[in-house]
Amino acid sequence: GQNIDQPTEMTATEGAIVQINCTYQTSGFNGLFWYQQHAGEAPTFLSYNVLDGLEEKGRFSSFLSRSKGYSYLLLKELQMKDSASYLCAVRDPAAGNKLTFGGGTRVLVKP
Amino acid sequence: EAQVTQNPRYLITVTGKKLTVTCSQNMNHEYMSWYRQDPGLGLRQIYYSMNVEVTDKGDVPEGYKVSRKEKRNFPLILESPSPNQTSLYFCASSGRVGATEAFFGQGTRLTVV
Repeated sequence: GQNIDQPTEMTATEGAIVQINCTYQTSGFNGLFWYQQHAGEAPTFLSYNVLDGLEEKGRFSSFLSRSKGYSYLLLKELQMKDSASYLCAVRDPAAGNKLTFGGGTRVLVKP
Repeated sequence: EAQVTQNPRYLITVTGKKLTVTCSQNMNHEYMSWYRQDPGLGLRQIYYSMNVEVTDKGDVPEGYKVSRKEKRNFPLILESPSPNQTSLYFCASSGRVGATEAFFGQGTRLTVV
């Protein structure tokens, strides 16, 4: 089966750092994705990890450990516009290479 | 501009009245899929298509149909909608099954009363 877990909600202060964790158990693994979704809008692609380690992209970084079935998304220098849901998704070749999404983590940035 | 276009954006309908949500992409992508999003459940795949005339069930296909007669279009059909199909629906496309990025449409908020 496939199981992807992430916290439901997190609150942080503008200018601070927030780390969103994602753990997964899937039949196979062919990449982990992070998407950002503002309320009522479409998800937009943030990052992709297929090898262990850290991928940095501006204020956002994503880390992957395949042996632990674990990833995190790090948001630095938080801005009010970063208030959104962040979705972790795993691509599973044993399931036709489709993306399976976690429930999403709603991040609220306070002034 | 590369995009995935869904219509309508909002729809209120009555139980049992057949409806179609259209999805079109202009990126010549092979892979297209439909998701529904419900609070606490995340995005769940309904159906997907790996190319023209090739479709398959996702995780929650009951009550839905799809077709892929042309590469650019992937309509979602609800033959007899029920209130439990009230949800936010997203269409997505990517260049191939193993592509690093999926592009999502703007979403269709469907209410079945």
